[in-house]
This record gives sequence, structure tokens and C-alpha cells, in this order.
Amino acid sequence: GENVEQHPSTLSVQEGDSAVIKCTYSDSASNYFPWYKQELGKGPQLIIDIRSNVGEKKDQRIAVTLNKTAKHFSLHITETQPEDSAVYFCAASTQGGSEKLVFGKGTKLTVNP
Amino acid sequence: GAVVSQHPSRVICKSGTSVKIECRSLDFQATTMFWYRQFPKQSLMLMATSNEGSKATYEQGVEKDKFLINHASLTLSTLTVTSAHPEDSSFYICSAIPTAINEKLFFGSGTQLSVL
Repeated sequence: GENVEQHPSTLSVQEGDSAVIKCTYSDSASNYFPWYKQELGKGPQLIIDIRSNVGEKKDQRIAVTLNKTAKHFSLHITETQPEDSAVYFCAASTQGGSEKLVFGKGTKLTVNP
Repeated sequence: GAVVSQHPSRVICKSGTSVKIECRSLDFQATTMFWYRQFPKQSLMLMATSNEGSKATYEQGVEKDKFLINHASLTLSTLTVTSAHPEDSSFYICSAIPTAINEKLFFGSGTQLSVL
């Protein structure tokens, strides 16, 4: 089955700096890659997603890149703010989310003022 | 955006009692919903897939008689933790996929269960 590895497990940056979180997946059939942000005591919130027919997607300060050949995808957050502090999960699926998503283990991002 | 409401957000119960958690899709219909369990500082562990009008599909190692799932309508799935024990204490999260577009997964806000 699919296996998703996520790095780093913790990341601390200064406000205004960029943050990058990387994930690799094992199943070449995976074609949908969402990223979720989870704040303490809350459910994950979808922040951006990308499909395998696209190499990069951007939404304001957040961008995701996908390298199908290498089977890895990354989340980029620019101009970080303290409210970006949370745990971020990457995930992979073979059928656009309708199949079971396989999650990475999460990255705790801390943005220091 | 699509909203998934999960209730209650926190519950404390005595060992041996049963607890029901509700997951509702407020502004969309969801043929499929998922139930996860999350331990502190860990990732989400899929427990079961809930399908409207049919039996839930449980992941390996998850006791179906322990964790009863009912998906009686296109907007509601319930998880009942039966005869709860302290080891069942955890954060339980549901998610739903809008049937109309059949993509993107939206999560509820989670339920923190504490069994004394």
C-alpha cells in the first residue's frame, strides 16, 4: 500500500521567513495530494491540494510543488506569520480523495514573532 | 466552503458506558464519511469508512463491535464507542467527501474522549 513520509517533524522559523515541508510517497498511482493544517484541539483544515497533472499550485502565501518522477511534493509558506503556527499534514490518494487518504506523520511549525 | 460539524467536542464518561459521536455535513451531501483516531502528537489513523445505506468498512485491527458506525442519511454518520475503557481515550475525528464533486475531504472539529 501507499506510504507517505514527511519531513521535518518540527520546524521553527522567524516571522517573515519562509517554511518548507517535504513529503515523499511510494505508490506511483497516487494522483491527489492535499495538505492540511491542524491547530491544537481542532480537526484538520484543507489548505491546498494538487493533482498529478499539475506541477505547481499557488494560493497567496502558500504553494505546493509536485515532482511525479521523484515521487515527492512540498509545501511552501512564504512571509510566515505567528498564526501559521500549527501542525501540517501531507497526504496522498489514488482517487482524488474518494479513496482513503494516507497521511504523513505531521510537521509542527512554530513561527516566532 | 464545505462545513462538517462534529458533536460533542469533548466528552468525559465512566468506564463501561457507551458514547455516541455525531458527524454532520451541514451544506452538502456525503455518501462517504471517514472516522479517524488521533493520539497526542501523532498522525490520523483511519478507523473505518462509513457508507450511507450500507455497512461500514473497518480497517485492520479496529473492532467493529467496539466502534459501531451508522450512516443512516446523506448528512449524518455516528460513531458509538461501546463499553468504553480508559484505553479508548483519544481524539476522534470524522471527515466527509461531498457527493456532488466527489473530491476533497473536509474534516470535523474532532471529539476529545476521556474515559475515567
